Amino acid sequence: GAGVSQTPSNKVTEKGKYVELRCDPISGHTALYWYRQSLGQGPEFLIYFQGTGAADDSGLPNDRFFAVRPEGSVSTLKIQRTERGDSAVYLCASSFLGGAGETQYFGPGTRLLVL
Amino acid sequence: SQKIEQNSEALNIQEGKTATLTCNYTNYSPAYLQWYRQDPGRGPVFLLLIRENEKEKRKERLKVTFDTTLKQSLFHITASQPADSATYLCALRGSSNTGKLIFGQGTTLQVKP
Repeated sequence: GAGVSQTPSNKVTEKGKYVELRCDPISGHTALYWYRQSLGQGPEFLIYFQGTGAADDSGLPNDRFFAVRPEGSVSTLKIQRTERGDSAVYLCASSFLGGAGETQYFGPGTRLLVL
Repeated sequence: SQKIEQNSEALNIQEGKTATLTCNYTNYSPAYLQWYRQDPGRGPVFLLLIRENEKEKRKERLKVTFDTTLKQSLFHITASQPADSATYLCALRGSSNTGKLIFGQGTTLQVKP
């Protein structure tokens, strides 16, 4: 596609439920990133994929959060036993090779609200 | 711990003036510093990248400076227009291949006609 797409655009769930957020990166981009953005804050890094493998998952806040990228393209961020504090915008980005000087292209985000 | 600070208060300027946004950081030695623009309800959009060995970078009406001694970057928009109104994010990245960008909290710019 022309840009990074994310689905759903909005997700409302109840505390304790399981959610999956999907990211479709720019075709041909090997690097994929997940960030979380709270209101009035900048994006906060969660995890970085190089191909199918998680090259850096140091930003995942706890073991309720997990992400996969099984074929090196689409990625899914999974959150178990959601808590109200998980409410935020979840942003996905991709870049061509993942080099340090590369531009990251962001999707529009998924707005998650945990009631 | 690594910390990035941007002006937390919104910056209001008159159309045609130069907007200057500040990004200060501590406990970090970035190899690259990037500026992004974010509009409400949208993801950040890349504007400019400057390397640690570069002092200044320009692109059309945009100019970025990078002072590794002061640990500060300045972002300038000359001849500002109402369409420049948005939140501007500063982001740092190291030279290793960890991939992650460390973002500041952003500064909201409002350009009035």
